[in-house]
Amino acid sequence: DADVTQTPRNRITKTGKRIMLECSQTKGHDRMYWYRQDPGLGLRLIYYSFDVKDINKGEISDGYSVSRQAQAKFSLSLESAIPNQTALYFCATTQPPADTQYFGPGTRLTVL
Amino acid sequence: AQTVTQSQPEMSVQEAETVTLSCTYDTSESDYYLFWYKQPPSRQMILVIRQEAYKQQNATENRFSVNFQKAAKSFSLKISDSQLGDAAMYFCAYRSPILLQGAQKLVFGQGTRLTINP
Repeated sequence: DADVTQTPRNRITKTGKRIMLECSQTKGHDRMYWYRQDPGLGLRLIYYSFDVKDINKGEISDGYSVSRQAQAKFSLSLESAIPNQTALYFCATTQPPADTQYFGPGTRLTVL
Repeated sequence: AQTVTQSQPEMSVQEAETVTLSCTYDTSESDYYLFWYKQPPSRQMILVIRQEAYKQQNATENRFSVNFQKAAKSFSLKISDSQLGDAAMYFCAYRSPILLQGAQKLVFGQGTRLTINP
C-alpha cells in the first residue's frame, strides 16, 4: 500500500466551484506540504503544516486554504476555483531530522 | 531567497550511454541539502539521489551519481548505462536546514525532460 495517498487522482470542475483535495499518510510523519506543479515552473509550495495546530502559508497561498484534520490528513481547498488554478497538485510528508520528502501520486485538477 | 535553475529543458541519450543533467542554484547559506527527483509519466515524484552540502564526497546510487561543486553552486546528475525506464522529467531541488518560516520546503528547478532512444 502507498504511504502517501491523494484523492481524487483527477478532477474536472467549473469556475466558481469549491473543491477539496485530500491527502493521507501512513508514515507517521508530522510535517506535511502541498505543492503545485505547472509546466516549465517546477513545483511551488502552497501551504505546509508542522503539526495539527500549525499551519503556514507558502509562496503561492492566495486562493487556497488548508485543514489539518489529524496527523495523517492534510486537505487543500479551493474556495472558488478559477482556470489558472488548473495544475498538478502534490502532497508531501517528512519527519525531522530526516530531510527526505515523500510525495503522493498527485491530483490533476482542471478548472473550466 | 534560494533559486534553482535547470538550463536544459530537454535531453536525449541512446540506450546504454551516459548522460549528464545540469543544475545550478543560488544561496547564501553554507549548509543545505540538494536532491534529484524523477517524475515518470505516472506523475509520481521519486527521489533519485540526495547530497548534503557539508559532505565533500559525491553521492552515488547505483547507476546515478552527482557532481557537486559547492563553490560553483553546481549539482549535476550523471546517469550511466541509460535504460528505457530512465525516461522521465528530472527535477533538481534545494532544501535549507535552517528552521525558519518555510523551512524544509523544497525549492525546485524547472525540470529536464529526458528521452532514452532505443
